[in-house]
Amino acid sequence: GAGVSQSPRYKVAKRGQDVALRCDPISGHVSLFWYQQALGQGPEFLTYFQNEAQLDKSGLPSDRFFAERPEGSVSTLKIQRTQQEDSAVYLCASSLDRQYNSPLHFGNGTRLTVT
Amino acid sequence: GNSVTQMEGPVTLSEEAFLTINCTYTATGYPSLFWYVQYPGEGLQLLLKATKADDKGSNKGFEATYRKETTSFHLEKGSVQVSDSAVYFCALSLTGTASKLTFGTGTRLQVTL
Repeated sequence: GAGVSQSPRYKVAKRGQDVALRCDPISGHVSLFWYQQALGQGPEFLTYFQNEAQLDKSGLPSDRFFAERPEGSVSTLKIQRTQQEDSAVYLCASSLDRQYNSPLHFGNGTRLTVT
Repeated sequence: GNSVTQMEGPVTLSEEAFLTINCTYTATGYPSLFWYVQYPGEGLQLLLKATKADDKGSNKGFEATYRKETTSFHLEKGSVQVSDSAVYFCALSLTGTASKLTFGTGTRLQVTL
């Protein structure tokens, strides 16, 4: 596809449920990022992959959050035992290479609401 | 730590007015600076960037100059259009951190006829 694709677009989960959010990056992009954006805030870094290797997960807020990119393409962000504070928009972004100033291409995000 | 501070919005302007959105930063290293824009219903997209002091990034009539002495990267446009209505995010990344961005909170711009 032409851009980064995320699914689902919206997800409502009851507190305590597990959720899985999917990201299809632009084909051939080496770097993949997950960000969390709370209402009225800027995105905050969660984790970074270079191909299939998760090189930085310093932004994951707790061990309930887990991300993978097993074949270096599609990535899944999983949140176990969701809590209300997990409600946010989850953004995926990819970039062509691993340079620090390489522009990121963002998906439209998945809006997660935990009730 | 690293942080980005933007002026709070919303900013409401009439079409053809001059726009300034202030952005200042603190960083432990020598950052690259970015402005990203989010149009209604769309994902974030890069508007412009600057990678070293005194560089000017420009795109679609928007400009921002990397000012190391004032740690600022203010966004300007001489004449805004209704189609510029969006949320604007200032961001930085540090050398060696592979585009790991630190964002400001965003400034909503509303342009009216």
